Amino acid sequence: QKEVEQNSGPLSVPEGAIASLNCTYSDRGSQSFFWYRQYSGKSPELIMFIYSNGDKEDGRFTAQLNKASQYVSLLIRDSQPSDSATYLCAVITSYDKVIFGPGTSLSVIP
Amino acid sequence: DAGVTQSPTHLIKTRGQQVTLRCSPKSGHDTVSWYQQALGQGPQFIFQYYEEEERQRGNFPDRFSGHQFPNYSSELNVNALLLGDSALYLCASSPLVAGEGRNTEAFFGQGTRLTVV
Repeated sequence: QKEVEQNSGPLSVPEGAIASLNCTYSDRGSQSFFWYRQYSGKSPELIMFIYSNGDKEDGRFTAQLNKASQYVSLLIRDSQPSDSATYLCAVITSYDKVIFGPGTSLSVIP
Repeated sequence: DAGVTQSPTHLIKTRGQQVTLRCSPKSGHDTVSWYQQALGQGPQFIFQYYEEEERQRGNFPDRFSGHQFPNYSSELNVNALLLGDSALYLCASSPLVAGEGRNTEAFFGQGTRLTVV
């Protein structure tokens, strides 16, 4: 089992819809969780981080964490074509290593 | 604030050669991590430096080595380059949580695109 897995893409949503990106992790003791956005040919940029169970909202983005299910998600409301990118889930494990998932490619169709 | 800066942005090397990549962390950050990102994959952790010492290491061979300087900047060295070393090399800086030594959110530089021919 891979340490961090993400839903396979590519994911296509129409403009204005909600995009849902999912991530699961294997280390139950993982501490911190991050979502990065990466445009083609560019470096990852941090969108959100979440440490506690529940929801965390920042503008059109909502991160959800469920440590019991070892699951973290990112919801993008009112999706825009500019949101089209690869979204990377990153987890800081119990042994303090930062592990990235393979990424999910999102395409927002105008 | 200049953020995380990396140099060079692009590099072409021949198989068997050696390469050095450089990174200056974001102001206020004392921890530097290096990642290798192959096309279509997520970043793979190479190692992390803190207080001029290697703090953590991923599953990379000894051909990959690094260094951190007193000003927190860092270098990644790769010896005996292989074709498979062609990738985007990312540097990320972060502040360790004071007193806890835990990793926190990392901010990335623009990366160095290494091509080995």
